Amino acid sequence: AQKVTQAQTEISVVEKEDVTLDCVYETRDTTYYLFWYKQPPSGELVFLIRRNSFDEQNEISGRYSWNFQKSTSSFNFTITASQVVDSAVYFCALSEETSGSRLTFGEGTQLTVNP
Amino acid sequence: EAQVTQNPRYLITVTGKKLTVTCSQNMNHEYMSWYRQDPGLGLRQIYYSMNVEVTDKGDVPEGYKVSRKEKRNFPLILESPSPNQTSLYFCASSLGGFPYGYTFGSGTRLTVV
Repeated sequence: AQKVTQAQTEISVVEKEDVTLDCVYETRDTTYYLFWYKQPPSGELVFLIRRNSFDEQNEISGRYSWNFQKSTSSFNFTITASQVVDSAVYFCALSEETSGSRLTFGEGTQLTVNP
Repeated sequence: EAQVTQNPRYLITVTGKKLTVTCSQNMNHEYMSWYRQDPGLGLRQIYYSMNVEVTDKGDVPEGYKVSRKEKRNFPLILESPSPNQTSLYFCASSLGGFPYGYTFGSGTRLTVV
């Protein structure tokens, strides 16, 4: 059965520190997609990235980077030089080919960046 | 602007009083879905719809109803709300389910007292 685990419930860092949010997933499918969403204090869900199971290249977007490793079933998210505006809840999610419409979310990680 | 609009944003109601949370999308998406978010549990799918008049249960459907009479609308109905349905609800739409992601609405924070 599909499952996403974000073991870090809360992380607190000081501004300009680098921080990595962990995401481990379980799936029997060979074709799947992984997502990261950001939920700022205002509550909406902001899409950050989508990565398919056949593309293990790391991706960098500004201060954000993602490390996808199929060997360890992990899709970790790193914020470099964190800023106060990065404070939010971050969700990792999995979409499997055999599950059609369902997005399976992890529990979320609350990131607090202190000035 | 492409968006999913859900209303209301905030709602406080009493146990047993029927309510409807509306959801509308302007992207002509076929797939729509409802999720609820609870602390420590992430988001869980309540119901989804693959097209007009086609709906199915997600992971936590008990106590909820949905309908899809028009492609753009997918209301969530709580016929007899209970306090354990106090939660943050999100409506989402997708071009076609897998492998597409979802566009989410802004959320509805429901409190049942």
